[in-house]
Amino acid sequence: EIVLTQSPATLSLSPGERATLSCRASQSVSSYLAWYQQKPGQAPRLLIYDASNRATGIPARFSGSGSGTDFTLTISSLEPEDFAVYYCQQRSNWPPFMYTFGQGTKLEIK
Amino acid sequence: QVQLVQSGAEVKKPGASVKVSCKVSGYTLTELSMHWVRQAPGKGLEWMGGFDPEDGETIYAQKFQGRVTMTEDTSTDTAYMELSSLRSEDTAVYYCATGPLDLWYFDLWGRGTLVTVSS
Repeated sequence: EIVLTQSPATLSLSPGERATLSCRASQSVSSYLAWYQQKPGQAPRLLIYDASNRATGIPARFSGSGSGTDFTLTISSLEPEDFAVYYCQQRSNWPPFMYTFGQGTKLEIK
Repeated sequence: QVQLVQSGAEVKKPGASVKVSCKVSGYTLTELSMHWVRQAPGKGLEWMGGFDPEDGETIYAQKFQGRVTMTEDTSTDTAYMELSSLRSEDTAVYYCATGPLDLWYFDLWGRGTLVTVSS
């Protein structure tokens, strides 16, 4: 099973600052990497797919990069509504296609 | 407007089974690859299994093999997830999550169904 490790576990920043979240895979996932945002009491929302493509309706301040085993989600200038938990997700390259999530990074207001 | 509408909260005793439903509207189930993800209280997301369109089979995470069954009723566009031999650790919110057949990620989620396992 491919393990995704997210860091840091908690990130404390102020509105207007830049956030950089990391996701590392235990083996290559090519570009099968997605990022989700989850707010309390809500379902996750897709932000980024295929490592660097923004989902429909996602603001341009969100960007994703990386391939293989190391991936980054960057929020260029934090808005108050961006404080939430972020998860990365992968799908294996070869069948059977298994999925795993990282343990999450909590982005909190400093 | 595409929506996934899940069934209501359940309370079950240890050893029992639970069956959660997820009705699709705005699409037909045959156009989608349906998956199930759960989240224990205060914990992260855990993929349980889902439909693999490449071979037409449902794949289950190893952790749930033998205890979970995911089915679909295409006549009503409703997907089901049944989990058996429930234990307290299965207390969680269960989400259905999906995307178009030719895409691997989940761009649409249900609101979740809370399943509480308690004696």
